[in-house]
Order: sequence, then structure tokens, then C-alpha cells
Amino acid sequence: NAGVMQNPRHLVRRRGQEARLRCSPMKGHSHVYWYRQLPEEGLKFMVYLQKENIIDESGMPKERFSAEFPKEGPSILRIQQVVRGDSAAYFCASFLGDEQYFGPGTRLTVT
Amino acid sequence: SQQGEEDPQALSIQEGENATMNCSYKTSINNLQWYRQNSGRGLVHLILIRSNEREKHSGRLRVTLDTSKKSSSLLITASRAADTASYFCAAGGTSYGKLTFGQGTILTVHP
Repeated sequence: NAGVMQNPRHLVRRRGQEARLRCSPMKGHSHVYWYRQLPEEGLKFMVYLQKENIIDESGMPKERFSAEFPKEGPSILRIQQVVRGDSAAYFCASFLGDEQYFGPGTRLTVT
Repeated sequence: SQQGEEDPQALSIQEGENATMNCSYKTSINNLQWYRQNSGRGLVHLILIRSNEREKHSGRLRVTLDTSKKSSSLLITASRAADTASYFCAAGGTSYGKLTFGQGTILTVHP
């Protein structure tokens, strides 16, 4: 859905660098989900955030990954010291009622 | 545990034929949603069926839900080449809308 914005659309990082992925939910939405899609697989839930709060991070790897959704500005998914296994498409979504609206995704490639 | 397992993994049909994809899930759900993803692109929401519904239609799409068998099916009638995509079911099992996706069915419609 064009209302959820993600940038960058493509990101290339060398092993050991940091990756920052940004997501702006639809106007008026204050909840964001992050999902990761590995090649040839379905999406896996990572984290659910409200403004200034992490509600559910049960899908986040314990190390190197963090997420925030500040009072002002987009939600940020941060991956420190990236490894090749982090190469994937990362999608964020916001929701209204039961239906989630997905952004176009950020495709991270770690070389 | 992974919910939303789908079969078949891949389906190849001729234009004009119907395509049926199945999805199974493991735990209680509030709703079951179907998404389409064109290669390398984001997700498009197709249809949502609530746990108290048995069947739902939207254009050429028909979704059924059997909560006793924990399964759902997506039928696309009179398929078109433009329907070629990956199709994912997603189980909505919590009050805040967290989705658990299946591995997807790759549908190829030959003109």
C-alpha cells in the first residue's frame, strides 16, 4: 500500500557494517510491525511497536537487532555488524482494524 | 511454532482455469488473511476472513475457512496471466493484529 513508506528500497552493506531501515506508517497510524522475508520464504514477524514503546519483540534476534519508533519521525530497524545471513527483504506494516497495510520493503544485501 | 503452512508449494495452470491454494494453521485465530506478492515486490492484501465466517467472496476470489480443521482455501476463478505471483496466507491470532505467514504458493498462469 502506497501509504506505508519505507526507505531505502535497496541497501547494500559489507559484512560488519550497520544497516538502518526506516518506515513511516500510514497517516494517523501509530503502530508499526516489522517482518523479515528470507529468499523463497514467507514473512516472519520481528517486532511490534507503538510510538515510544516496544510491545512485542518476540521475533527479533537477541543480538545485533534493535528497533525504535520515536515520538517524532519514522520507525527505525537497526542491524549492527551485519552478516550475510541478514540478507533479506524487510517489510513494515501498519494496521487499521484487522487489516495490515504493507510498505514496499527494503531489500538488504550483505556482501 | 510456524502457522500457516500452504500447499501446493507451486501451481502451474493455463489461463482461464481455476486455481486453488490451501492453508493450514496450528492455533486459534481471530482472522485469516491472504496476500499476493509479485516477484521482488511488496505484499498486496487480497481478502480477510474472520474466525466466525465460513466463506467470503471478492471478485474472482473465494475464500473458505474451516476452524474445526484449522484450514483455509483460496480459489481464483478464470485465472489470468496477470495472476502469476506468490500467494501467502497469514493467521491473525492476537488482539493487536500480529500475523503469522505461511511459506506461500507460487502460482504461474500460462497465457
